[in-house]
Amino acid sequence: DAGITQSPRYKITETGRQVTLMCHQTWSHSYMFWYRQDLGHGLRLIYYSAAADITDKGEVPDGYVVSRSKTENFPLTLESATRSQTSVYFCASSDDGSSGNTIYFGEGSWLTVV
Amino acid sequence: QKEVEQNSGPLSVPEGAIASLNCTYSDRGSQSFFWYRQYSGKSPELIMSIYSNGDKEDGRFTAQLNKASQYVSLLIRDSQPSDSATYLCAVTDAAYKYIFGTGTRLKVLA
Repeated sequence: DAGITQSPRYKITETGRQVTLMCHQTWSHSYMFWYRQDLGHGLRLIYYSAAADITDKGEVPDGYVVSRSKTENFPLTLESATRSQTSVYFCASSDDGSSGNTIYFGEGSWLTVV
Repeated sequence: QKEVEQNSGPLSVPEGAIASLNCTYSDRGSQSFFWYRQYSGKSPELIMSIYSNGDKEDGRFTAQLNKASQYVSLLIRDSQPSDSATYLCAVTDAAYKYIFGTGTRLKVLA
């Protein structure tokens, strides 16, 4: 039972570079989410998706792009990385509510922008 | 803006004691409530979910929900050093937007 896998787990990149964080889930969950977690701010929603080809902005979407061409994949792209985007990023998924809409997290991607 | 408030702690309790963690939320339309545990450097993992007023027990954990007061709590009985972690409260509305609190750090002293 692989669940949710994120890659890369750790990444160092330079300011201005494009970075894509990958997320893959094996549960066929309808909903997928991207959060960033920073000290003092907790988990903040960047983007979420209710199904393939349906995405919507969360609390902090600026500087990020998402796509969801397949149900199981939900990549997050930083178009031009900035130091303020140094954070740990969590992908998560949830079903359509049949089991209480619990959200499950991947292991996280630690991103450092230098 | 919808908010979930938690005391950041740390909350220190001796081993074997009851730890009480509290959370308040601002959106009266919130429908589902969750407690997650997060160890340092790890991802959050679900401890309990609660959807209706009252208490819900699962082993050493009890979640309490009071929608009128917009308050949810988590009690951990017989606290163990392995319970030392950050506990995140989360709420969601029908639109599946989960809002997380910043977490309470619990330290169980052996």
